[in-house]
Amino acid sequence: GAGVSQSPSNKVTEKGKDVELRCDPISGHTALYWYRQSLGQGLEFLIYFQGNSAPDKSGLPSDRFSAERTGGSVSTLTIQRTQQEDSAVYLCASSLTSDRYEQYFGPGTRLTVT
Amino acid sequence: KNEVEQSPQNLTAQEGEFITINCSYSVGISALHWLQQHPGGGIVSLFMLSSGKKKHGRLIATINIQEKHSSLHITASHPRDSAVYICANTGTASKLTFGTGTRLQVTL
Repeated sequence: GAGVSQSPSNKVTEKGKDVELRCDPISGHTALYWYRQSLGQGLEFLIYFQGNSAPDKSGLPSDRFSAERTGGSVSTLTIQRTQQEDSAVYLCASSLTSDRYEQYFGPGTRLTVT
Repeated sequence: KNEVEQSPQNLTAQEGEFITINCSYSVGISALHWLQQHPGGGIVSLFMLSSGKKKHGRLIATINIQEKHSSLHITASHPRDSAVYICANTGTASKLTFGTGTRLQVTL
């Protein structure tokens, strides 16, 4: 079946612009995660959705970052007033439910802020 | 604070060698994940385990809950195993906390 998909695969934007990144999880997966992989920084957690529960936003680096998940499926990560330090690969993952299930990663969106 | 440490950071091996990558973590966990990332490629989940040992082909993952330690072994290594291997765990929350990764290069 289809895996996790993300769009766009690459995004170049000017500093100060807003961007939206999209994630389509595997059908039936109730848990959805956003991570960021910065050059030389490794992977870090951003936000986690589980079903209809309030999302865990503890990893969002600033209030310029927000995410929503509509209808328990597709998720959008929005970065407002982008800064150069936001340049990274943004990864989405989904799992059947939380915690004890394997996470399946999307291919990522490479964001470059010029 | 949930911290995950991996060793070594870089590893070069010749084809056929047995490889071990180690992972230590600081807090009790619900699950330990081993992930693989090829250059320019996406991330693939290799194992998720909460106790004991799992095997898939030439890959073996073990975990010692009491010692807060996990190892990933690759038997009969091959150049196609060259990748970054990342250890991650889920602590009290479901989000993953990642190690810094081990870059493996297997040469002919």
